[in-house]
Amino acid sequence: EDKVVQSPLSLVVHEGDTVTLNCSYEVTNFRSLLWYKQEKKAPTFLFMLTSSGIEKKSGRLSSILDKKELFSILNITATQTGDSAVYLCAVERSGGSNYKLTFGKGTLLTVNP
Amino acid sequence: NAGVMQNPRHLVRRRGQEARLRCSPMKGHSHVYWYRQLPEEGLKFMVYLQKENIIDESGMPKERFSAEFPKEGPSILRIQQVVRGDSAAYFCASVEGRTYNEQFFGPGTRLTVL
Repeated sequence: EDKVVQSPLSLVVHEGDTVTLNCSYEVTNFRSLLWYKQEKKAPTFLFMLTSSGIEKKSGRLSSILDKKELFSILNITATQTGDSAVYLCAVERSGGSNYKLTFGKGTLLTVNP
Repeated sequence: NAGVMQNPRHLVRRRGQEARLRCSPMKGHSHVYWYRQLPEEGLKFMVYLQKENIIDESGMPKERFSAEFPKEGPSILRIQQVVRGDSAAYFCASVEGRTYNEQFFGPGTRLTVL
């Protein structure tokens, strides 16, 4: 069975700090790893990673995948209170056209002013 | 382009009643996934549907749960004879389907069973 483990489960920081969120996985026939941000509503897409070692960047957020060690990290620099959310990591296996995702439990990030 | 829509946003049912959750995918998307999120748990895959076709229902309990995605209208997740353990947030996500692409999530329906 596919497995995704995120750490830490929760994290409290002050505005301006840099945080690193971790995601390790076990999946048969890996296709991609995705990061989502979930506030009190729909998970919103952040990144999709398919290749090892290539950093994806969007503003203060960046992410990288290591397919050999089976993990990914999500970095947020100069955190703001608006970054407070649950960050979800998910993996997708290849196999036909079924793109179902296996999610981790998420990391709850709280950024205090 | 409207996003994925789900209704109702909140649903309260008593034990034994039926719950119907609706999901309208993004325009042009013909594939829908349903996920369930229990308190302090990650999202868990339930079922994957294309129009008029269930592709994968391996994550859905065999009893009391059913899903459909008719040719016209929204996808519906139906839970019969609800129990307290069904209380959760139910999210649907849509994807275009013809090409590999990210899933777009709806705002979810929060089901509370009293």
